[in-house]
Amino acid sequence: EAQVTQNPRYLITVTGKKLTVTCSQNMNHEYMSWYRQDPGLGLRQIYYSMNVEVTDKGDVPEGYKVSRKEKRNFPLILESPSPNQTSLYFCASSLSAGLGNTIYFGEGSWLTVV
Amino acid sequence: AQSVTQLGSHVSVSEGALVLLRCNYSSSVPPYLFWYVQYPNQGLQLLLKYTSAATLVKGINGFEAEFKKSETSFHLTKPSAHMSDAAEYFCAVRVSGGYNKLIFGAGTRLAVHP
Repeated sequence: EAQVTQNPRYLITVTGKKLTVTCSQNMNHEYMSWYRQDPGLGLRQIYYSMNVEVTDKGDVPEGYKVSRKEKRNFPLILESPSPNQTSLYFCASSLSAGLGNTIYFGEGSWLTVV
Repeated sequence: AQSVTQLGSHVSVSEGALVLLRCNYSSSVPPYLFWYVQYPNQGLQLLLKYTSAATLVKGINGFEAEFKKSETSFHLTKPSAHMSDAAEYFCAVRVSGGYNKLIFGAGTRLAVHP
């Protein structure tokens, strides 16, 4: 089954404690990205990756890092989380950055920073 | 700059009534348009997409949307609402330039009452 899998699904952490949210897709997709969802704002892109070792900032990259060492994995790293990073996070992938390609989303990771 | 506006953050309908969720986009180039649905505690699922073929697009679960260039709209409709349609719906646009990201509207939460 085609899937985008994120872990953990739910996490409560403390300010400043580094954490990583993993993302893996089994569709051999080149394009992967991370979004955060906040009430009234919809989804905003944090980072994206066009392929292995090719990453770039989205609209709200501050406080986040990513890496793409393998095609299937695209972890999101919060080096020093702060309360304003409390949000619902989605990993997404598509075959390529082609405009008509469907973007598939994971089930989301609820992150609370206290 | 491209943007998406969803009119009405909350819409409530009776079971069996018409569902109409409004979406207007702003784009200086031909857009690719998407509707996603998010059920409680789940990720985003693609309902339908417009990729410059037919202007009336049929999606899953009985939903459809019509692309109207003159009105820059892509409203989502369903003739008869079902209780299981209660969810949050997101309209999104993808245009060329930059990295072809999805730009989301703020979302519309649909409630269906008996």
